Amino acid sequence: AQKVTQAQTEISVVEKEDVTLDCVYETRDTTYYLFWYKQPPSGELVFLIRRNSFDEQNEISGRYSWNFQKSTSSFNFTITASQVVDSAVYFCALSEAESGGYQKVTFGTGTKLQVIP
Amino acid sequence: DGGITQSPKYLFRKEGQNVTLSCEQNLNHDAMYWYRQDPGQGLRLIYYSQIVNDFQKGDIAEGYSVSREKKESFPLTVTSAQKNPTAFYLCASSIGIRGRVVDTGELFFGEGSRLTVL
Repeated sequence: AQKVTQAQTEISVVEKEDVTLDCVYETRDTTYYLFWYKQPPSGELVFLIRRNSFDEQNEISGRYSWNFQKSTSSFNFTITASQVVDSAVYFCALSEAESGGYQKVTFGTGTKLQVIP
Repeated sequence: DGGITQSPKYLFRKEGQNVTLSCEQNLNHDAMYWYRQDPGQGLRLIYYSQIVNDFQKGDIAEGYSVSREKKESFPLTVTSAQKNPTAFYLCASSIGIRGRVVDTGELFFGEGSRLTVL
């Protein structure tokens, strides 16, 4: 069974600090996808990144970067020079193919990030 | 603009009443989903549909019902049998297994509906 663990329930940082959100996953499949979503106070989940299991290359997008390590089953998310607008709940998710091709998505419990000005 | 529209955004109902939440998408996606979000529990899947006139139970389907009569629409009814219906409900869609592009499971979400049962 697939599982996603986000051990950090809430994190508070002062603006301009760097912060890393941890995500650890469990799966028996060799082919899967990992995601990060951002949920601002408005409620809608916003897609940030997708990674497939065969691509361990780290990715940087502006102040955001992601570190995917299959050896430790982790897909961590770092925000550099945090800003107040980064305050949100962040979800890590794992997608695996079920019978019939349906992609079953499992979410972690989320990490609430508060950036203090 | 393409996207998912959920309504109403806020809903108050008395205990014992059925409530229907609307979800409409114009992304031409085959697959649609309903999730429930409670504080500290992440998102839990209620129902999903891969194609019109077909839907499957998710992890917490008891007390809920859905229909998929049109590709664009996937309404969720919270019935009186749902013991703890107060929650934030999110509708989502994905390309689906019939799309020409591989469905990776990437989900597109609506803004959610917050249901409070008094």
